[in-house]
Amino acid sequence: DAGVIQSPRHEVTEMGQEVTLRCKPISGHDYLFWYRQTMMRGLELLIYFNNNVPIDDSGMPEDRFSAKMPNASFSTLKIQPSEPRDSAVYFCASRKPGVGLAEAFFGQGTRLTVV
Amino acid sequence: RKEVEQDPGPFNVPEGATVAFNCTYSNSASQSFFWYRQDCRKEPKLLMSVYSSGNEDGRFTAQLNRASQYISLLIRDSKLSDSATYLCVTSYNQGGKLIFGQGTELSVKP
Repeated sequence: DAGVIQSPRHEVTEMGQEVTLRCKPISGHDYLFWYRQTMMRGLELLIYFNNNVPIDDSGMPEDRFSAKMPNASFSTLKIQPSEPRDSAVYFCASRKPGVGLAEAFFGQGTRLTVV
Repeated sequence: RKEVEQDPGPFNVPEGATVAFNCTYSNSASQSFFWYRQDCRKEPKLLMSVYSSGNEDGRFTAQLNRASQYISLLIRDSKLSDSATYLCVTSYNQGGKLIFGQGTELSVKP
């Protein structure tokens, strides 16, 4: 298995532009998570899905952020409009269902810079 | 207050040293516990799960104290390759979200 695949690996955009981050989870993993990592705040959970349904989006910072999971093999995180404070590394992770000690596998992350 | 709190570090230790990391969690409903490792500019990866009775994996020993809501990680005979950030992680529902601590940076020097 190729693991969790994220794209793009790096994104530099101007303030006000729309940014879309993409994630392909590991096949058979029913949970998908979007995290944001910064030096100041560490790893923050933004939203997670179970069987393509959003379960908890309380970590989504503002209405500018939205996430979708149209099917079991694809998810997007969109920021519109982007702001410099959105600059961070965004990780997608997936996990097997129903086992409390199941490992979460992370993608390599998307390093977003908003200028 | 963060739900999972860790020693901020950095810990600078010589090769061969024993080093211990501590972590506290605030949600008493937490059911599952883990230590993840993150190398510089890489993604986090599972180091080990933490079992109620404590568990060992080679040079690494993890302990859980539910009464005090405290988790620890002990690294014996540290190697240069152990240099990384160690993340304490909890989960309070089956298969659900993982809550990460801020991480503790370890630097092992020759």
